Amino acid sequence: GAVVSQHPSRVICKSGTSVKIECRSLDFQATTMFWYRQFPKQSLMLMATSNEGSKATYEQGVEKDKFLINHASLTLSTLTVTSAHPEDSSFYICSAEGADTQYFGPGTRLTVL
Amino acid sequence: GQSLEQPSEVTAVEGAIVQINCTYQTSGFYGLSWYQQHDGGAPTFLSYNALDGLEETGRFSSFLSRSDSYGYLLLQELQMKDSASYFCAVSTDSWGKFQFGAGTQVVVTP
Repeated sequence: GAVVSQHPSRVICKSGTSVKIECRSLDFQATTMFWYRQFPKQSLMLMATSNEGSKATYEQGVEKDKFLINHASLTLSTLTVTSAHPEDSSFYICSAEGADTQYFGPGTRLTVL
Repeated sequence: GQSLEQPSEVTAVEGAIVQINCTYQTSGFYGLSWYQQHDGGAPTFLSYNALDGLEETGRFSSFLSRSDSYGYLLLQELQMKDSASYFCAVSTDSWGKFQFGAGTQVVVTP
């Protein structure tokens, strides 16, 4: 079946640094990918829709200048958390539209010290 | 605004049947999905209902009533490995964009 990968799976960084998370569709092309954030014991919250070759669409309340999204190819979308702070510590999950379902990546756990 | 309501926790014994209800209020509706998530893992897709009725996939079934803005996930012959969080999610404007409910923690006991 279709697989979506994320890299890295886990990252710890210092406050003020930027972190890039990659989301790849491994055996299918994804013109649209989605980025979610999940805090402990909470639900997934949609952050943005990433469209190949165009600007991402951000959900209300999500800072587009803080969470930079680039979808440069049909198999890769990246999320960069700029100037990360401890409150950005979360589980970041991407998903991609397949032919008949949505496929989630394994997630990236970000810890900002 | 949009809202999805589901119970926070359900406890049942192995072999039992559990039904997790989900009611929703959204500005648009394309379909209702269910996802399973084990602690520390990513969500995995269980089912998707776009039309009214019952969809059966092995031990899991999902039901939708669009007129009632209601659906449920039925877990049969519960196994210990079914202990996880289960999320209902509504697609409001395109296939892959979902709004998630708060999740239901299912605890299966021996």
